[in-house]
Amino acid sequence: DQQVKQNSPSLSVQEGRISILNCDYTNSMFDYFLWYKKYPAEGPTFLISISSIKDKNEDGRFTVFLNKSAKHLSLHIVPSQPGDSAVYFCAARAYSGGSNYKLTFGKGTLLTVNP
Amino acid sequence: DTEVTQTPKHLVMGMTNKKSLKCEQHMGHRAMYWYKQKAKKPPELMFVYSYEKLSINESVPSRFSPECPNSSLLNLHLHALQPEDSALYLCASSQAGRRGWYTLHFGNGTRLTVT
Repeated sequence: DQQVKQNSPSLSVQEGRISILNCDYTNSMFDYFLWYKKYPAEGPTFLISISSIKDKNEDGRFTVFLNKSAKHLSLHIVPSQPGDSAVYFCAARAYSGGSNYKLTFGKGTLLTVNP
Repeated sequence: DTEVTQTPKHLVMGMTNKKSLKCEQHMGHRAMYWYKQKAKKPPELMFVYSYEKLSINESVPSRFSPECPNSSLLNLHLHALQPEDSALYLCASSQAGRRGWYTLHFGNGTRLTVT
């Protein structure tokens, strides 16, 4: 059962426009949500995160919004640049006993920004 | 350049071979992870080491044997693998403790093919 869902496998936007990537989750015990970006032949790199007690976090061109009641988060990229073209993974953290936490990843969304 | 280094980048092995994947980080992180990623799937957690002790084993088959010789190194020993074990194996590290357990720093992975 997928606890973190990214229902759009791909998204294509024009350079300079807004990219909106969506993520839904089912586990109400998740306490942190984050986005990772992955280029081909590289490992995922951390992009931005948000605590479950907040509804918005902004870092430059990247903003993450969290709607806890809807169990939904989104990543906005404004303005989009061709270098943003990558696979974006949504991930969520949950406590798993002792001093352990686990990250659960979504399947990813391939973003293509066209010049 | 990634701060988590994985070797080798590619590995082809037969089902009767014994091989090892290696991971190294020098960021002072005390938590290290092995993830497995199949094509078009999210990274799936296999093992977590915290302060050089195995803290999470996600019911991984015994043909995968992790080892953490010191705080900078993480190995994954492979023996009698199956073709379905072919995947990208990602190593990651993070600070240990509640604040650090989500900002994972990933290596570029080892692409494993079992023939």
